[in-house]
Amino acid sequence: NAGVTQTPKFQVLKTGQSMTLQCAQDMNHEYMSWYRQDPGMGLRLIHYSVGAGITDQGEVPNGYNVSRSTTEDFPLRLLSAAPSQTSVYFCASSYFTSGPSYEQYFGPGTRLTVT
Amino acid sequence: AQRVTQPEKLLSVFKGAPVELKCNYSYSGSPELFWYVQYSRQRLQLLLRHISRESIKGFTADLNKGETSFHLKKPFAQEEDSAMYYCALSGGSSNTGKLIFGQGTTLQVKP
Repeated sequence: NAGVTQTPKFQVLKTGQSMTLQCAQDMNHEYMSWYRQDPGMGLRLIHYSVGAGITDQGEVPNGYNVSRSTTEDFPLRLLSAAPSQTSVYFCASSYFTSGPSYEQYFGPGTRLTVT
Repeated sequence: AQRVTQPEKLLSVFKGAPVELKCNYSYSGSPELFWYVQYSRQRLQLLLRHISRESIKGFTADLNKGETSFHLKKPFAQEEDSAMYYCALSGGSSNTGKLIFGQGTTLQVKP
């Protein structure tokens, strides 16, 4: 199993450009999520999904869109990049449950710089 | 509101010294608490969870509901413990899978 994969590893964008960060998992996990990691802020949840066709906003959703057409993929779209979106982005997945939590598996991250 | 606070950005200790990474939380129900670790150039991974009540790599953490804390402890630090540590909270019985993370603490173990 490859686990959770993310592409690209690094990206530089100009302000106003759009792009999609890719995330895929091969563990048949229902739950997937996107976080951004900023110094002194920890990891903040952007969007999450509890299954194909179902997405919801996290703590910091503005400026980002997601969709979940398959169980395996959960792309994150930046609509019009801003310098404030410079960050490291992590995708994670786990089994979904309404009871006790399962371990979340993280991807390697995408380091995004917006100039 | 759900919140996780890790008051120390950096904790620096010498090899063999005891380590305690602090974590306090705010949650009205019965939360689940976790510690995740990120070693240099590696992915974020689960270290331990309070439900398991186990020791991983010599680390333990006890949930103290009275003090709303979940501090991570190790009696004798090793150089390979140097990493970023995140405390995280999930919503217990009303869980939807979401994790709320603290700000993270960098542990530096000096030789």
